[in-house]
Amino acid sequence: DAKTTQPPSMDCAEGRAANLPCNHSTISGNEYVYWYRQIHSQGPQYIIHGLKNNETNEMASLIITEDRKSSTLILPHATLRDTAVYYCIVRGLDDKIIFGKGTRLHILP
Amino acid sequence: DSGVTQTPKHLITATGQRVTLRCSPRSGDLSVYWYQQSLDQGLQFLIQYYNGEERAKGNILERFSAQQFPDLHSELNLSSLELGDSALYFCASSVGWVGIGQINYGYTFGSGTRLTVV
Repeated sequence: DAKTTQPPSMDCAEGRAANLPCNHSTISGNEYVYWYRQIHSQGPQYIIHGLKNNETNEMASLIITEDRKSSTLILPHATLRDTAVYYCIVRGLDDKIIFGKGTRLHILP
Repeated sequence: DSGVTQTPKHLITATGQRVTLRCSPRSGDLSVYWYQQSLDQGLQFLIQYYNGEERAKGNILERFSAQQFPDLHSELNLSSLELGDSALYFCASSVGWVGIGQINYGYTFGSGTRLTVV
């Protein structure tokens, strides 16, 4: 089973920052938080990952709380092309990436 | 183009038949992972191979089998097909697995094979 909890859907206005929350209260010390997204029926796309520090790349920022029990993915300036299902995943030493139901993000024009 | 190649893109077959889905991983990647995505089940992890050896198993049915060949491509064999096997089947690859410290690399997914069983 997935080790994360995400809201089923969210709306965000185009051009605004999209903040997608994720709870992973049972995460252990050697487990990473990964974010993927899936646009329509395409293959999931890697966005970002982190262990305990906040991370930023060209796509997004990942904010992980100090206790590591939750995180937030931030898309700084959402566009219509960011409409997708976003998956927050905890990846452990068994190397399996188990997808939950994700958050369906709607970008509103 | 993600670098992970899956063939065929679409497949229509009858119940009871057997099909083979093929995946070529990204150049340099040693691990291959298979996922099934149906409308009501989301993305389900099926099986993982690393450098030709099975590493992890998920919710893979006994009617399904997979293997990874010396050239690192992988095949997923689905037999005695049922209507409920209709789904998108994704293959992903990565550099390695956490046993050798490769956890910092994400998976790269292919564009999938859409299987329709009629």
